[in-house]
Amino acid sequence: GAGVSQSPSNKVTEKGKDVELRCDPISGHTALYWYRQSLGQGLEFLIYFQGNSAPDKSGLPSDRFSAERTGGSVSTLTIQRTQQEDSAVYLCASSLTLLRGQYEQYFGPGTRLTVT
Amino acid sequence: LAKTTQPISMDSYEGQEVNITCSHNNIATNDYITWYQQFPSQGPRFIIQGYKTKVTNEVASLFIPADRKSSTLSLPRVSLSDTAVYYCLVGGSTDKLIFGTGTRLQVFP
Repeated sequence: GAGVSQSPSNKVTEKGKDVELRCDPISGHTALYWYRQSLGQGLEFLIYFQGNSAPDKSGLPSDRFSAERTGGSVSTLTIQRTQQEDSAVYLCASSLTLLRGQYEQYFGPGTRLTVT
Repeated sequence: LAKTTQPISMDSYEGQEVNITCSHNNIATNDYITWYQQFPSQGPRFIIQGYKTKVTNEVASLFIPADRKSSTLSLPRVSLSDTAVYYCLVGGSTDKLIFGTGTRLQVFP
């Protein structure tokens, strides 16, 4: 089957605009994660979902960031009133279980967001 | 939180064995240790995972001492294509996943 897919692959937006980033996890994977990676930096955890349970949002950097996961599958990360410091690659990953240390995360190719 | 610490960078030459050590002093009983590899402009890719002692697969070995406060990723006979960033990840019972700072491995011919 297909791997994790993300869209768009690249997004250029003006400061102050809202953006939506989409993630399609691997079919059957119950856990979904969002990360952010700034140029030359490591991965910054943002949020994770387990099935239809309420997500842990404690990694989101500000209240401009929100995410949802519909039907336990597709997820959308929304950034409102974008700022230049939001420019980064946003990575999505999925795995089979909530026991995140026990199963492999499969990463998507990422969405490169540039805020001008 | 089980924070991890890795060397920022390492250099090697083709054909050599490379060992990258990750420190995770606060690892919890149920935590697994996982290593990922990331090439530029790509998402990380799973390399190996272990809980204790030694794990080996077709690309690497993972050594974990009895106290589990550290782990060592061993790459046998590296090639130029092994040039990448390597991340150590400790799975925890908390809600945040902690990636290490990553080790940038540069392999020279």
